[in-house]
Amino acid sequence: EPEVTQTPSHQVTQMGQEVILRCVPISNHLYFYWYRQILGQKVEFLVSFYNNEISEKSEIFDDQFSVERPDGSNFTLKIRSTKLEDSAMYFCASSDPEPYHEQYFGPGTRLTVT
Amino acid sequence: GQSLEQPSEVTAVEGAIVQINCTYQTSGFYGLSWYQQHDGGAPTFLSYNGLDGLEETGRFSSFLSRSDSYGYLLLQELQMKDSASYFCAVSDQNYKLSFGAGTTVTVRA
Repeated sequence: EPEVTQTPSHQVTQMGQEVILRCVPISNHLYFYWYRQILGQKVEFLVSFYNNEISEKSEIFDDQFSVERPDGSNFTLKIRSTKLEDSAMYFCASSDPEPYHEQYFGPGTRLTVT
Repeated sequence: GQSLEQPSEVTAVEGAIVQINCTYQTSGFYGLSWYQQHDGGAPTFLSYNGLDGLEETGRFSSFLSRSDSYGYLLLQELQMKDSASYFCAVSDQNYKLSFGAGTTVTVRA
């Protein structure tokens, strides 16, 4: 069964450093997403991506964040200058255009900013 | 913006039935989804309601009333493996899901 994969599973970085979180969505999906979940809290939408551009982004997704699909398989989230409050689990997801509400999530990358 | 409310936790015994309610306030509502998450792992899609009424998928059913901005997830014949967090999520026209805070379901023997 196809699945979304993410690397690394855990990333520790110092405040102010740049991190890149990587995802390989399901191959025939066209919509890609990033969500984050602070420990014990709800899953929060960050950004959706379609046809090589951002479709929608939340207020969390400020200028420190960027996404890219550098090739036909990878989808990345970059945080330019990490802050302590960026510590969270980051989930990548992908979906078909319809039904887009049925999103397939990866196992997540736990980001710890020290 | 979107606002969703669901109970924080529910405890029940094996074999029982549990109903998790979700009320929402949102603009551009398309539908209500339910996701399951075990121990902080990947959320897994369970069910979706785009129209009013009941959707049944095995032991799980989901209901939506658009006029009441209300839905619920019904878990029947509870099993130990159903112990998890359950999130309702609203979808809008911009291809994003907005999740509720989640309900932790604990199944006891």
